Amino acid sequence: KNQVEQSPQSLIILEGKNCTLQCNYTVSPFSNLRWYKQDTGRGPVSLTIMTFSENTKSNGRYTATLDADTKQSSLHITASQLSDSASYICVVTSNTGFQKLVFGTGTRLLVSP
Amino acid sequence: NAGVTQTPKFQVLKTGQSMTLQCAQDMNHEYMSWYRQDPGMGLRLIHYSVGAGITDQGEVPNGYNVSRSTTEDFPLRLLSAAPSQTSVYFCASSRGLAGDEQFFGPGTRLTVL
Repeated sequence: KNQVEQSPQSLIILEGKNCTLQCNYTVSPFSNLRWYKQDTGRGPVSLTIMTFSENTKSNGRYTATLDADTKQSSLHITASQLSDSASYICVVTSNTGFQKLVFGTGTRLLVSP
Repeated sequence: NAGVTQTPKFQVLKTGQSMTLQCAQDMNHEYMSWYRQDPGMGLRLIHYSVGAGITDQGEVPNGYNVSRSTTEDFPLRLLSAAPSQTSVYFCASSRGLAGDEQFFGPGTRLTVL
């Protein structure tokens, strides 16, 4: 069964600290993996996309990694800011001739002053 | 560009009532979709469309109808509201495929009493 599991469910860190969010997936065949940021009361917004051949991709203070062999991805946030408080959703695309998105349940991050 | 817009932002219905959630995008995207987001669950696909005049069911289509008469608009109709349809609904669009970057609307919070 195609599944995406994220950990931790929630996380509280102090402003300025780093953190890493995890995403494990069993989606096959794999097409790509995206991390979305969802602010409270808003729709998700794409942060990064990872394809099979990519190991690392950065977007400002956000760095995503992908290990296609172990089917794991991580999102590292450097020097956190209060505006990083949000839910982070891992989404994997499967492609069996028709693309389907498999959503994780998200990690809720709270950055405390 | 306004991106993806949704109306209304909030709605309260009584069991058995019907209503239409509106969604529009101004990016000339072919792919549009509707999701519902419930606590502790990932986003779940209700219906999607790959172009004007073409719609199909997603993971949880029961109780909902859609149509796509233009590229821009993709309304979601609740036929006879039930408390189980209490949720936050997101409309999204992407350039061509599900695996392309999804642009989400701000969401509609629906409560069915």
